[in-house]
Amino acid sequence: DQQVKQNSPSLSVQEGRISILNCDYTNSMFDYFLWYKKYPAEGPTFLISISSIKDKNEDGRFTVFLNKSAKHLSLHIVPSQPGDSAVYFCAASAAQMTTDSWGKLQFGAGTQVVVTP
Amino acid sequence: EAQVTQNPRYLITVTGKKLTVTCSQNMNHEYMSWYRQDPGLGLRQIYYSMNVEVTDKGDVPEGYKVSRKEKRNFPLILESPSPNQTSLYFCASSSIQGARARTEAFFGQGTRLTVV
Repeated sequence: DQQVKQNSPSLSVQEGRISILNCDYTNSMFDYFLWYKKYPAEGPTFLISISSIKDKNEDGRFTVFLNKSAKHLSLHIVPSQPGDSAVYFCAASAAQMTTDSWGKLQFGAGTQVVVTP
Repeated sequence: EAQVTQNPRYLITVTGKKLTVTCSQNMNHEYMSWYRQDPGLGLRQIYYSMNVEVTDKGDVPEGYKVSRKEKRNFPLILESPSPNQTSLYFCASSSIQGARARTEAFFGQGTRLTVV
């Protein structure tokens, strides 16, 4: 059973507009969340992360929002650029050693983003 | 240059023929792990290692083995591959901070395995 879910397999957005990618999780022990970006024929690369003590983290055009009560996070890309076309994975991990999730990084299924001119 | 190197990049093999996919990192990371990527399922963790001689099962360990005899290497072994192990495999490494892995992992470029 997937503990991290990305329910939108694809997203098409016009260049210059905002891309919003969503991610939901079920395990309340998760306390650290990450987004990875993946181009074809390459491994995923780290994009941005957020700790559960925050509700927002920003890095240039990328902002991640965390809503712990809803067990939901989102990645905003503003403005979207053609080079942002890639698959984006949401991932989560837990710090506490008592949880089955410790040491593991749980990924969602990914969202394919296509930025059109 | 910091990197995780996997070999081979592409492999076609037959059912039952043992194979090893190698993974090496040059960042002195304690934590290494293997994932498989399948359509609609994202990346699922196969095995991970917190340090030399310390390995543990991930979410989908059946049919796989690993070893961690040296810090830099973490090979993935398929003793008797089957067609359902056809997948895209990624090795990753990261440093450990405190009691848990610092999970901004560096990933290798992937190994496309086909078992016929």
